[in-house]
Amino acid sequence: AQKITQTQPGMFVQEKEAVTLDCTYDTSDPSYGLFWYKQPSSGEMIFLIYQGSYDQQNATEGRYSLNFQKARKSANLVISASQLGDSAMYFCAMEEHNQGGKLIFGQGTELSVKP
Amino acid sequence: DTAVSQTPKYLVTQMGNDKSIKCEQNLGHDTMYWYKQDSKKFLKIMFSYNNKELIINETVPNRFSPKSPDKAHLNLHINSLELGDSAVYFCASSQDRASYEQYFGPGTRLTVT
Repeated sequence: AQKITQTQPGMFVQEKEAVTLDCTYDTSDPSYGLFWYKQPSSGEMIFLIYQGSYDQQNATEGRYSLNFQKARKSANLVISASQLGDSAMYFCAMEEHNQGGKLIFGQGTELSVKP
Repeated sequence: DTAVSQTPKYLVTQMGNDKSIKCEQNLGHDTMYWYKQDSKKFLKIMFSYNNKELIINETVPNRFSPKSPDKAHLNLHINSLELGDSAVYFCASSQDRASYEQYFGPGTRLTVT
């Protein structure tokens, strides 16, 4: 069974607008972490944001926020005020805390920001 | 200063050859990982070492052998390369296996012809 699902292979957003990238996950472990990584065309993996399963508040990092809905098992990434440099692949990932740090990745969403 | 470095960045080789990819981190982290990203951009963990001890060994052909001479280095050796091994290989490190953030290296693009 797919543990991390990103249903949007590609997304377009107008510059300066907000965009939400979807991510749903599946785990029976009560303790886990959820991550978003950005992979620009240059290929490196850039850590964006983290949400722990016991965190009460949604994580935020600058223009990035994670909309964590535990009951729905969703961890959507919201990028506010999109910039051209946000064009990239975005990966959602999960770490089940009894798995020794193993990150399980979703299929990725390719975001294109239009000027 | 590069936190996690990999060499080489690109590697083109023929089927049947043996090759190694090196990874070094200067962050003082205890845990290091190897991930494989296939042509469809799907990322999957291969191995993880914590303080030179193998802690994660996913279902990977035994032609792939990781080696950790010290906790700052995790190398990946691949024997008898096959076409399907063509991918981007990422090394990553984290403070320890309970740490939430993993720092990725720049990746090594391996092409097997």
